[in-house]
Formats: sequence, C-alpha cells, structure tokens
Amino acid sequence: EDKVVQSPLSLVVHEGDTVTLNCSYEVTNFRSLLWYKQEKKAPTFLFMLTSSGIEKKSGRLSSILDKKELSSILNITATQTGDSAIYLCAVEPYSGNTPLVFGKGTRLSVIA
Amino acid sequence: ETGVTQSPTHLIKTRGQQVTLRCSSQSGHNTVSWYQQALGQGPQFIFQYYREEENGRGNFPPRFSGLQFPNYSSELNVNALELDDSALYLCASSSSTGRTNEKLFFGSGTQLSVL
Repeated sequence: EDKVVQSPLSLVVHEGDTVTLNCSYEVTNFRSLLWYKQEKKAPTFLFMLTSSGIEKKSGRLSSILDKKELSSILNITATQTGDSAIYLCAVEPYSGNTPLVFGKGTRLSVIA
Repeated sequence: ETGVTQSPTHLIKTRGQQVTLRCSSQSGHNTVSWYQQALGQGPQFIFQYYREEENGRGNFPPRFSGLQFPNYSSELNVNALELDDSALYLCASSSSTGRTNEKLFFGSGTQLSVL
C-alpha cells in the first residue's frame, strides 16, 4: 500500500526562523512528489518534484527530493506569520491519471 | 482563487440521512476528483470523473457515489450517513492534457458534520 509520512506533525516557530519539514514515502512506481499549502480549506500547489527535477525554489521556499532515501524536505527561510498553514506532501504513483496519496500534513504556526 | 467552486460550504446532517455536495470545475477542465479530509488527516481519494465516466475509485464503500455532467460540474452523494463521514470534502479539477496532478486545482471544500 502506498504511504506518505510527514514530520513533525506540528511546529511552532518565531518570525524570522528557518524551518524544515520532512516527507518520506513508500510507493510503487514513483512518478512525482508534490507539496501543497493549506491555509484555510483549499490546498494550493507549491512544488512538484520528479526524477528530472529534484530541486525547486520559489522565494523563501525551497524543496529537495532524495530519491535514494525516498524522502523530500520543504525549507522555509525567514518565516512570516503568513506562512502559518498546514503543509501537505503528496506522492503521485506512475500509472497514468492516478490520484495523489497524501500525508497527514505538518501544521506550522509562526508567531510574531 | 482557483476557479473551482463548491457548495454548500457547511452542512449539518444526522446519521442515516443522505447528502449531495456540488462542485463546479475550473473553465476548460474536464476531470474532477473528490477527496475526503478528516480532522488531522491528509486528503483521501474518493473517486475521479473524466468526461462523465468514473475513472478511478479509492477505498470508499458504494454508498459514496458521484456524477459528472456535460458541463463537467460534479456531484458527490453519500447515503446512510455515519458519524465517521464528518470531514472536509474537497473537489479538485484538472485538464486531461499535460501533467494532470501538477495542474490540480482544489476548491475550498464542504465541511460536513454528521450528528
């Protein structure tokens, strides 16, 4: 059974801190790994990582895929209160138009 | 704002009742997926519709059923509601062309409470 495990499940940091969120996975025929940010209800897409694109960066956020260790990290530098959200990691198995397998998410709280 | 709209935003039902949730997909998208997100959990795949046909189903019982209409909007129906059905129900739309899951757009969900 395909599985995604995220850690920590929750995290409280102060503004300006740097955080690292972890995601490990077990999936048959890996295709891609995706990160989403869920602030209120709708998850919004952050990054997609594949064998041909193992590192992505956008502003203060960056993500790396380690295919050998079957894991990924999401880094956020100089955190702001607006970064407070649940960060979801999902894996897409390689089988055509297949659904995503999500982890439980990491709830990040950034306090001023 | 993704262009995916869901209704209603909140709903309270009692055990045994039936519920219908609705989703309007983003313009140009012909694929709709439904996910259930229980409190403290990640979204779990229920099923997907592509051009009005079910195109994959997760580990949910038959009392979870769906429809997709010619305009690609979709409904999720749940019969004989149970307490454990209380969750946020997310609809996501995508185009069948290209890398589908990279272009998956989620709606804001329907929060269902079963009492």
